[in-house]
Order: sequence, then structure tokens, then C-alpha cells
Amino acid sequence: QKEVEQNSGPLSVPEGAIASLNCTYSDRVSQSFFWYRQYSGKSPELIMSIYSNGDKEDGRFTAQLNKASQYVSLLIRDSQPSDSATYLCAVPNQAGTALIFGKGTTLSVSS
Amino acid sequence: GAGVSQSPSNKVTEKGKDVELRCDPISGHTALYWYRQSLGQGLEFLIYFQGNSAPDKSGLPSDRFSAERTGGSVSTLTIQRTQQEDSAVYLCASSAYHSPTGYGYTFGSGTRLTVV
Repeated sequence: QKEVEQNSGPLSVPEGAIASLNCTYSDRVSQSFFWYRQYSGKSPELIMSIYSNGDKEDGRFTAQLNKASQYVSLLIRDSQPSDSATYLCAVPNQAGTALIFGKGTTLSVSS
Repeated sequence: GAGVSQSPSNKVTEKGKDVELRCDPISGHTALYWYRQSLGQGLEFLIYFQGNSAPDKSGLPSDRFSAERTGGSVSTLTIQRTQQEDSAVYLCASSAYHSPTGYGYTFGSGTRLTVV
């Protein structure tokens, strides 16, 4: 059974700083990786996907993947209070039929 | 529709009663998922439907849980003889792609189930 591990936090950063969120996964065959954002009381929304080693940038968000180390991270530059949420890392299960989610890291950005 | 629609948004039921939760996926989406999220817990996969293929039921926690998808569209998750540990937010998601784990998927707003 695959496992996806995230530090639950909370991770607290001041407005304008870089927030770094990390995720490790237990097997080496995963090909796609996702970051979801979940505001309190809301459902998760997809914010980033990454498939290849290296970095992928989308606006203030950068996803970083290192398959050899089984590690994926999300960097949020110029953090805003509106970024305060729980960030969920997800990878496909072994059958490739569903995503397995980590328990999420709670980010708090103070103004 | 414009998004994944779930109903009801909230459901309070007495222990031992049966409940039905409904999901209407985005029009044209062939893949449909049910997850549940308990307080302080992560998202737990329950069941996956893809087109007319047999569903992947590997995540259903007990035989009290069942789901069906009619006409390749609307899905109903049924929980029989509800227990207090069934209290959670039940989330439905859908995807347009044959390999939704390659592209991620879109969640509905969820049904908050409380068993008293």
C-alpha cells in the first residue's frame, strides 16, 4: 500500500515570504503528482500537477519533483493571507485507479 | 453542469438508519470517485467508476457501504445501518480523462454526514 507523508504543521510564514511544503511517497513507480489546496470547510481544489523531475512553475507556485528521493515539494512565493489553507499532496495508487492523499500541511500566512 | 454537484449538503441521521448520498458529475466526465474525510483525517478513497467498466470498490470500509452509477452519470452512495464512525464529509469527484490519475480531478462541495 502506498503511503504519502506530509508534515501536518501548522507552517506559519509572514506575508511576502516563501512557504515550502514537502511531501514524501513510499514507492518508486508513481508517474504523476498533484498538489491540492483545501480551505477550511471547503473541498479540495487542484492547484498543481507535475510529472517530470525538476521544477514546474505556475505563477507564484513552483512544484519540485525528485523521483530518486521520492520527494515532491510546493513552494509558494510572496505568500499572501489568502494562501492560508491546508495543502494536500496526492499520488496515484498502485492500480492507477485513484489518487492517494496525504493528510495535508496547514499553512498560515500572517499579515 | 458547471461543476460536480452533491446533495444533500448536510445530513443528520440516527444511528442504525440508512442514508443515500447523491453525486452529479460534470457533464461528459466518465470517471467518478467517492472519498470521505473525517475530522482531522486525510481523504480516504472509497470507490471509483469509469464508464461502463466494473467499479473499483477496494476502498469501501465495510459491506454496509455500496454505490451505484446509473447511465454513466449520476452516482448514489448508500450507507446502511449507519454508525457514529460513519460521520464524515463525503466527497465526490469526477474527471474527463480515461486516466484521471494522470490529470487529477475536480471535487464537489461534499455532503457532511452526522450520525447521532
